[in-house]
Amino acid sequence: AQKVTQAQTEISVVEKEDVTLDCVYETRDTTYYLFWYKQPPSGELVFLIRRNSFDEQNEISGRYSWNFQKSTSSFNFTITASQVVDSAVYFCALSGNQAGTALIFGKGTTLSVSS
Amino acid sequence: KAGVTQTPRYLIKTRGQQVTLSCSPISGHRSVSWYQQTPGQGLQFLFEYFSETQRNKGNFPGRFSGRQFSNSRSEMNVSTLELGDSALYLCASSLSRGRMNTEAFFGQGTRLTVV
Repeated sequence: AQKVTQAQTEISVVEKEDVTLDCVYETRDTTYYLFWYKQPPSGELVFLIRRNSFDEQNEISGRYSWNFQKSTSSFNFTITASQVVDSAVYFCALSGNQAGTALIFGKGTTLSVSS
Repeated sequence: KAGVTQTPRYLIKTRGQQVTLSCSPISGHRSVSWYQQTPGQGLQFLFEYFSETQRNKGNFPGRFSGRQFSNSRSEMNVSTLELGDSALYLCASSLSRGRMNTEAFFGQGTRLTVV
């Protein structure tokens, strides 16, 4: 079965702190894709990144960075120098052959950044 | 480029009624997926349509159905509404070349309340 676990339900930080959101996944597929989405209060899910199982290179995009480690089945997301606008619910998701094109989401981590 | 548009944004229905939600994908996207989001179950995959055919289906009862039109617009229908169907229903569109899992872009959702 495929599963995504985001153990952190809520995280609160003060502006300018760095914060890491954890994501652990389970799958028997050899080819799979991992995603991160952000859900602000308005409701829509905003796509942040897609990573395939053959690409373990870490990625940095501005203040965002992602660390993919197949050995520990983890795909963690770090926000550097957090800002109030980063406050949202963040979801990690997985898709692979078992579930076809369906995204299997974790329960999400609510990030609150205060000024 | 216009994003994914879902209508209506909010809906209140009575138990036993049926409801139809609409989704217009990003121009050029042929895959439309539907997800249900509730506080208890999180984000769950309902079904996916590609070129007017249901390509994938989640674990939901037959009361939940959908269809896709030739212009890629999609509708989902829920019959005999139950209180537990109260949720945010999100639609996602993607290019989805073949079965490759390209990134999905989400609409703002329809908030359905069943009373």
